Amino acid sequence: DTGVSQNPRHKITKRGQNVTFRCDPISEHNRLYWYRQTLGQGPEFLTYFQNEAQLEKSRLLSDRFSAERPKGSFSTLEIQRTEQGDSAMYLCASSSSFIREKLFFGSGTQLSVL
Amino acid sequence: KQEVTQIPAALSVPEGENLVLNCSFTDSAIYNLQWFRQDPGKGLTSLLLIQSSQREQTSGRLNASLDKSSGRSTLYIAASQPGDSATYLCALDYSSASKIIFGSGTRLSIRP
Repeated sequence: DTGVSQNPRHKITKRGQNVTFRCDPISEHNRLYWYRQTLGQGPEFLTYFQNEAQLEKSRLLSDRFSAERPKGSFSTLEIQRTEQGDSAMYLCASSSSFIREKLFFGSGTQLSVL
Repeated sequence: KQEVTQIPAALSVPEGENLVLNCSFTDSAIYNLQWFRQDPGKGLTSLLLIQSSQREQTSGRLNASLDKSSGRSTLYIAASQPGDSATYLCALDYSSASKIIFGSGTRLSIRP
């Protein structure tokens, strides 16, 4: 169990640029979640995958956001035409669906849009 | 609408005290409830998970309870230590949904 890995840890970008984050879940976990967290708030759900299928997307996820999980392994979250309001910590978590057990979180990617 | 509330938002107590953190929720059709710890700038670490059919779970100095009928959960921390200082969040996994909903957390500070 190497844990959930997220890269990069920090990303600073200019408004209007595109950014992509990567999440590598725990290898035997087939459920993968993306959350966004701003200072002083709890994580807000963005999207959820079971294997390679994206089963749910939050209304928070505008058309500038897209997530993929090819082959049910790692996942990427892309934000196009970034806005200052996108500045947040983006968290990835994974779990096993065979038993709906604990969520394991990565350390997150801190995005700052200037 | 499924809402999760944690009060207070912040709590400061002297070392050694026992304390209780609260979590309330509006929809009791939960599958399980988890309590997490988050250190500044870090991800979340799961502390305790209570299944819908359970009333409580214990791990070391931590005890979490679940009362679905009243829509409440508590996290009890015994003999608090400065190292317990962190934000504590509760999260609900709903049977009818794939997403897990978080409260906004209680920021705990233990004074030496």
